[in-house]
Amino acid sequence: QVQLVESGGGLVKPGGSLRLSCTASGFTFSDSYMSWVRQTPGKGLEWVAFISGSSSYTEYAEYVESVKGRFSISRDNAKNSLFLHMNSLTVEDTAVYYCVTGQLFFEDWGQGSLVTVSS
Amino acid sequence: QSVLTQPPSVSGAPGQRVTISCTGSSSNIGGGYDVHWYQQLPGTAPRLLIYGNVNRPSGVPDRFSGSKSGTSASLAITGLQAEDEADYYCQSSDSSLRRVVFGGGTKVTVL
Repeated sequence: QVQLVESGGGLVKPGGSLRLSCTASGFTFSDSYMSWVRQTPGKGLEWVAFISGSSSYTEYAEYVESVKGRFSISRDNAKNSLFLHMNSLTVEDTAVYYCVTGQLFFEDWGQGSLVTVSS
Repeated sequence: QSVLTQPPSVSGAPGQRVTISCTGSSSNIGGGYDVHWYQQLPGTAPRLLIYGNVNRPSGVPDRFSGSKSGTSASLAITGLQAEDEADYYCQSSDSSLRRVVFGGGTKVTVL
């Protein structure tokens, strides 16, 4: 069955950086669009970014406006891994970050990784 | 303020039918974009409950059903059970925002 396991979350100061990782198994990772979705108590669920699968001629990614220029999504198909590189973090980025399959809707979810941005 | 509007809470007795509404606009649900629903049990990650307005992934009981009309969609739970107590979120895409959008979530309480 599909498994998505996130890692890399933690406590970071405002302005700091963090890299989230997600290891996937149980499906053809390279073919799949992958996304990151975050959840905060105050703002609920929010899509953060997606990256295309190998079915696309070229790899491309999209981001929610609030993270453009600060976050970067990437993947290593040889290692069935998805990443979210987060820079210039602010307190508003505090959330549980989920690695999910899909682009227009999200079929499988990881257990989530908590990112806390606080001084 | 979420782009898609859901009631904060609904409740029902075991065995009853409850519905959760999800109201959008012409740039999302009314613009022909599909609606999807997720269930989040306490302390767990969300799981896909309904996709493409009416479709259930394998393993989802047929007590859960989705519908869509105009700028709104609904999730119905028939034969409500204690294990259905959870938060439910609707999701669609928005042409103006050019991204996926979620509802604010509805807490279902089984009385």
